[in-house]
Amino acid sequence: DAGITQSPRYKITETGRQVTLMCHQTWSHSYMFWYRQDLGHGLRLIYYSAAADITDKGEVPDGYVVSRSKTENFPLTLESATRSQTSVYFCATSQAGSGNEQFFGPGTRLTVL
Amino acid sequence: AQSVTQPDIHITVSEGASLELRCNYSYGATPYLFWYVQSPGQGLQLLLKYFSGDTLVQGIKGFEAEFKRSQSSFNLRKPSVHWSDAAEYFCAVGNNDMRFGAGTRLTVKP
Repeated sequence: DAGITQSPRYKITETGRQVTLMCHQTWSHSYMFWYRQDLGHGLRLIYYSAAADITDKGEVPDGYVVSRSKTENFPLTLESATRSQTSVYFCATSQAGSGNEQFFGPGTRLTVL
Repeated sequence: AQSVTQPDIHITVSEGASLELRCNYSYGATPYLFWYVQSPGQGLQLLLKYFSGDTLVQGIKGFEAEFKRSQSSFNLRKPSVHWSDAAEYFCAVGNNDMRFGAGTRLTVKP
C-alpha cells in the first residue's frame, strides 16, 4: 500500500519553464492539498481539493494551477516557473475536511535556476 | 485572519529533560488545532489534535498539549525527551485552509 506518492522527488528547471508535480494517493481520500515549505515560513497552503473537479485556493496560489479529474491524482503545475518558487512541495490527503488528520507525502524538492 | 506563531525557532534540551514547545494562534472561531512532527527529509506526521472537550490532549510518542482559550495557546509538552524526538515541530490551526507555524527545531543533547 503506497499511500501517497509524489513525483518527481527532485527537479531542477529554469525560469520560465512549465513544471508539473504529481501527487497520487491509493486511499481514496476525498481531500487533497498542496503545500510549499520554505525556511522561516513553515508550510503554506497553495491549493486544496475537496473532491474530483472541486478545487479552492489556499494562502499562496499565485503562479500555480491545479486540476483534479480523478480522485486519486492532484497535479500541481507551475505554468512559468520563477526563482521564488524554489521550494519543497508537499502533497497531503485527508478522508474529510474540517480538521481531519492530513497525511503527507515525502515531498518534491524543486529548484528553479 | 488566522495565523500561528511559534516563538521559539530552535530549542535544545538534554535527553530525559522535560520539553515545552509554545504555540499561539489567532482565529475567528473555535479552532481545530494540531501538532505535527517532521523528521529530516520526511513529510509531516500528526502528533495530536484538539477540536473540543477536554483541554488536555494526549498524542502519540508520549506527547500532550494543552489548549488555553484565554491565552490563545496550544503548547506541546513531553515529560522526558528521548534522542529520537529530535525533529522539527509544527503547530497548525484551521479547517481545510490550514495555517502552519514556522516550526521549532528540537535538538536533544546526550
